[in-house]
Amino acid sequence: DIQLTQSPSTLSASVGDRVTITCRASQSVDSWLAWYKQRPGKAPKLLIYKASGLESGVPSRFSGSQSGTEFTLTISSLQPDDFATYYCQQYESDFPLTFGGGTKVQMK
Amino acid sequence: QVQMQESGPGLVKPSETLSLTCSVSVGSINSYYWGWVRQPPGKGLEWIGYIYSTGSTTYNPSLKSRVTISLDASKKQFSLNLRSVTAADTAVYFCARLPSRYYGMDVWGRGTTVTVSS
Repeated sequence: DIQLTQSPSTLSASVGDRVTITCRASQSVDSWLAWYKQRPGKAPKLLIYKASGLESGVPSRFSGSQSGTEFTLTISSLQPDDFATYYCQQYESDFPLTFGGGTKVQMK
Repeated sequence: QVQMQESGPGLVKPSETLSLTCSVSVGSINSYYWGWVRQPPGKGLEWIGYIYSTGSTTYNPSLKSRVTISLDASKKQFSLNLRSVTAADTAVYFCARLPSRYYGMDVWGRGTTVTVSS
């Protein structure tokens, strides 16, 4: 199976900060990686698909990028609603789907 | 707008079968993948499996021996059966839609909590 390692596991930030979360895949997933946001007690919400595609309705402060097997989710200016846990997920066709361990973005 | 809703018992005894159903409110169930994801208390997300509208299934290898996902297109529902449950299967179970195998899960149910306990 493909392992996804997210870093950091917890991140402390303030409103207005630029936030970057990294997800490293144990092997190539091409660009088949998605990012989700999850608030406590809620279902995950799709933010980014295919490494850098912005899901419809998602604010443009969210962006995704890729360098090889390293993927990055960036929030350009953190908003109060963005304090949440973020997960990456790979969906490379020859392997089972897997999620990263999550990154909790909390208030500094 | 598509909505999804999980339903089923909130308490299951050890060694029994966990059975959940997901109802899709709007649109067709055809030409989509329909999946299940779970989240143990305080932990991360775990993919369980998905079914395509043709009935083809793919499961997490770690659960494959105990899982069956089925589809009833006429009722716009799909179901999860997880056999021989233990306390480790206690989790919030989410159903979700995948527009294609090459996309993320774009619509989710609200989740249902299932506790395995005698």
